[in-house]
Amino acid sequence: GAGVSQTPSNKVTEKGKYVELRCDPISGHTALYWYRQSLGQGPEFLIYFQGTGAADDSGLPNDRFFAVRPEGSVSTLKIQRTERGDSAVYLCASSPSRNNEQFFGPGTRLTVL
Amino acid sequence: GEDVEQSLFLSVREGDSSVINCTYTDSSSTYLYWYKQEPGAGLQLLTYIFSNMDMKQDQRLTVLLNKKDKHLSLRIADTQTGDSAIYFCAESSSTDKLIFGTGTRLQVFP
Repeated sequence: GAGVSQTPSNKVTEKGKYVELRCDPISGHTALYWYRQSLGQGPEFLIYFQGTGAADDSGLPNDRFFAVRPEGSVSTLKIQRTERGDSAVYLCASSPSRNNEQFFGPGTRLTVL
Repeated sequence: GEDVEQSLFLSVREGDSSVINCTYTDSSSTYLYWYKQEPGAGLQLLTYIFSNMDMKQDQRLTVLLNKKDKHLSLRIADTQTGDSAIYFCAESSSTDKLIFGTGTRLQVFP
């Protein structure tokens, strides 16, 4: 079956612009996670959804970052007033339930000029 | 806070065994994981171990866990060039989120 998909695969934007990154989880997976991977680093947790609600958003770096999952499936990560330090690969993962294996998507590479 | 550390680089000859090490700080970790990341590809779960286990073997992979020292290792037997990748150690506790190390780049040469 289809794995986790993320769009776009690459996004180049200018400092100060708004961006949206999309994640399509594996069908039926109730848990969805966003991570950010900077160059040469391991992924860092951003936010976790169980169904439609954000169960843990402790990893969001500041209030410019926001994520939604309105119908409990597709999720969108939104970044306002982008800064050069936001440049990274944004990874999405889904899981059948909490405390289960997380399946990762290929990521969206965001470059802020 | 939680922290996971790994050495940055490992180089081995094809056919030899590779051992990648990891230390973590969270004593409440319930699962510990090894992920593989190849260029342009997503993270692939290789194996995991529950915190009450000492060892887990899965074909060429052996995971050893020393909970007292908070030390985790991944041994790859008969390392092949296709094993060249970045390997991440990760841990999770009751909060579900994964805490990753910085990754160990494994280079396999003929």
